[in-house]
Amino acid sequence: GNSVTQMEGPVTLSEEAFLTINCTYTATGYPSLFWYVQYPGEGLQLLLKATKADDKGSNKGFEATYRKETTSFHLEKGSVQVSDSAVYFCALTVLTANQFYFGTGTSLTVIP
Amino acid sequence: EAGVAQSPRYKIIEKRQSVAFWCNPISGHATLYWYQQILGQGPKLLIQFQNNGVVDDSQLPKDRFSAERLKGVDSTLKIQPAKLEDSAVYLCASSLKDTYEQYFGPGTRLTVT
Repeated sequence: GNSVTQMEGPVTLSEEAFLTINCTYTATGYPSLFWYVQYPGEGLQLLLKATKADDKGSNKGFEATYRKETTSFHLEKGSVQVSDSAVYFCALTVLTANQFYFGTGTSLTVIP
Repeated sequence: EAGVAQSPRYKIIEKRQSVAFWCNPISGHATLYWYQQILGQGPKLLIQFQNNGVVDDSQLPKDRFSAERLKGVDSTLKIQPAKLEDSAVYLCASSLKDTYEQYFGPGTRLTVT
């Protein structure tokens, strides 16, 4: 079946620290992978995506590389800011299956 | 460009009552999704529409949940009768046909007492 497993939180970091949030997946077929972010009081927003193996998605200083050999899509940022405090969701879709699968979310708090 | 609109934002009902949620997707988006997000979990897809047809409703509890998308634009999700375990945030999302990116509304937080 298809599923996403992501690192449990909450995660608390100091400003300018390095961030890694782990995400691994299982999928039948060839999935596309996503990171969504949910800021307090707002809806989910697409942060970045990668549609095939070895692709790197990037946005707002965040990066994630689609690793087929390790079935992973870890989210990284070199220097976090207070404004990055949010819940981050890893997700996958196998378009032929017309389904989207989300991880459980990782809450990040960045303190000044 | 206006985003996905949902109403109401919050709803509190007693168990066995009924409730309805409304969603207006982004103009031109053929695909509409309803998700249930229970506290501490990721969103779970309930139903997916392509225009006014159902693409996937395999995880919709059809004994109590129903959804429609008349005219292929806005959509309603109904729960009748509600149970305590239905307490969750109900998210609506839309996307262009056959694309990956989904745009989410702010959600409706339902509390069943």
